[in-house]
Amino acid sequence: RKEVEQDPGPFNVPEGATVAFNCTYSNSASQSFFWYRQDCRKEPKLLMSVYSSGNEDGRFTAQLNRASQYISLLIRDSKLSDSATYLCVVTDGDYKLSFGAGTTVTVRA
Amino acid sequence: SAVISQKPSRDICQRGTSLTIQCQVDSQVTMMFWYRQQPGQSLTLIATANQGSEATYESGFVIDKFPISRPNLTFSTLTVSNMSPEDSSIYLCSVEDRSSYEQYFGPGTRLTVT
Repeated sequence: RKEVEQDPGPFNVPEGATVAFNCTYSNSASQSFFWYRQDCRKEPKLLMSVYSSGNEDGRFTAQLNRASQYISLLIRDSKLSDSATYLCVVTDGDYKLSFGAGTTVTVRA
Repeated sequence: SAVISQKPSRDICQRGTSLTIQCQVDSQVTMMFWYRQQPGQSLTLIATANQGSEATYESGFVIDKFPISRPNLTFSTLTVSNMSPEDSSIYLCSVEDRSSYEQYFGPGTRLTVT
């Protein structure tokens, strides 16, 4: 079983729509959680950390469910520029990041 | 976040040769990391490089194939030795913000081995 699993998508949504997707992790001792964004042929860039109480950054909302071992990302009012691959990343408190394979989102005009 | 640069940004190399990738950070960092991202896949950690000590390699990666140097707190190199087409990949370095565990990545080196 992979440490971090994501629905690969693609999620194909119109501009202005809301899109949400989850990521599950296998290690119950995981401590820190992140969403990274990776554009085609570019490096991953940190989108947001995910806190236990959930957090919001503009149109992006992240939630953590420790009991069920998943995190989620919701994008409201999608923009064309939101088209990217979203990587779920988990760490057990040391420096080692475990990456999901990514969820591809395509926002169409 | 730190500003990270890598050289070269891309290269096409012949089988059997070696390539050294450089990673430069604009601030002093304790730990630097080297990742590989093969086509269509996510990132895999190759090794962790601490200044003044041997790099720590992950399962499946060995020093003879991927020697790493870390001469100071702002610089590291990764060499891909005796390359084969299976080494074609993007190689990325990263640094960690110790207070938050967030990692920041360099722009990557796109390597093609023919």
